[in-house]
Amino acid sequence: DAGITQSPRHKVTETGTPVTLRCHQTENHRYMYWYRQDPGHGLRLIHYSYGVKDTDKGEVSDGYSVSRSKTEDFLLTLESATSSQTSVYFCAITGGDTQYFGPGTRLTVL
Amino acid sequence: AQSVSQHNHHVILSEAASLELGCNYSYGGTVNLFWYVQYPGQHLQLLLKYFSGDPLVKGIKGFEAEFIKSKFSFNLRKPSVQWSDTAEYFCAVIRMDSSYKLIFGSGTRLLVRP
Repeated sequence: DAGITQSPRHKVTETGTPVTLRCHQTENHRYMYWYRQDPGHGLRLIHYSYGVKDTDKGEVSDGYSVSRSKTEDFLLTLESATSSQTSVYFCAITGGDTQYFGPGTRLTVL
Repeated sequence: AQSVSQHNHHVILSEAASLELGCNYSYGGTVNLFWYVQYPGQHLQLLLKYFSGDPLVKGIKGFEAEFIKSKFSFNLRKPSVQWSDTAEYFCAVIRMDSSYKLIFGSGTRLLVRP
């Protein structure tokens, strides 16, 4: 267990609503990541962070923003949720050149 | 663009059958390679990884993988599968110049019949 928690674990929301997902780590790792998992696509990187206030875009960043004000927390925000953002979202950290994943958040946008 | 290909999207085996799942990647530089497993309803767990050295690596639960640099491949094998191996398997690659960003294959769903 890499000491990663995600909240909420499940969320149902409506189109146009802002949503924030939280990832919390207890291991003081520098790198943190947000992925989305969709059938037939594997996991795709949304955004990542390489330190406090240091973030960068991944492969599918449109419609998402992130913030990292503390080492232990990495927030993913959907400013105005759309149905195409219905997915399972995983947070990850890098420890020893290996990525470890959180339990996931299942988000449904109606 | 760099990519990771998993050619088998769905595999169905009977218990005790041998397993080989293919993985190929497109990047020509130095990479680290991983196989992750996701059991139904759970998060991804690391099965094994290759950074350097012996190209045949052994992981948890009897899995192994072989890195063949000339073929850009990192195939996963298990000599005898069990019902509990039913899961989705993901191959992933990190380019050593890429801020530890993992590129995943699309996954292979394995169903093992008792």
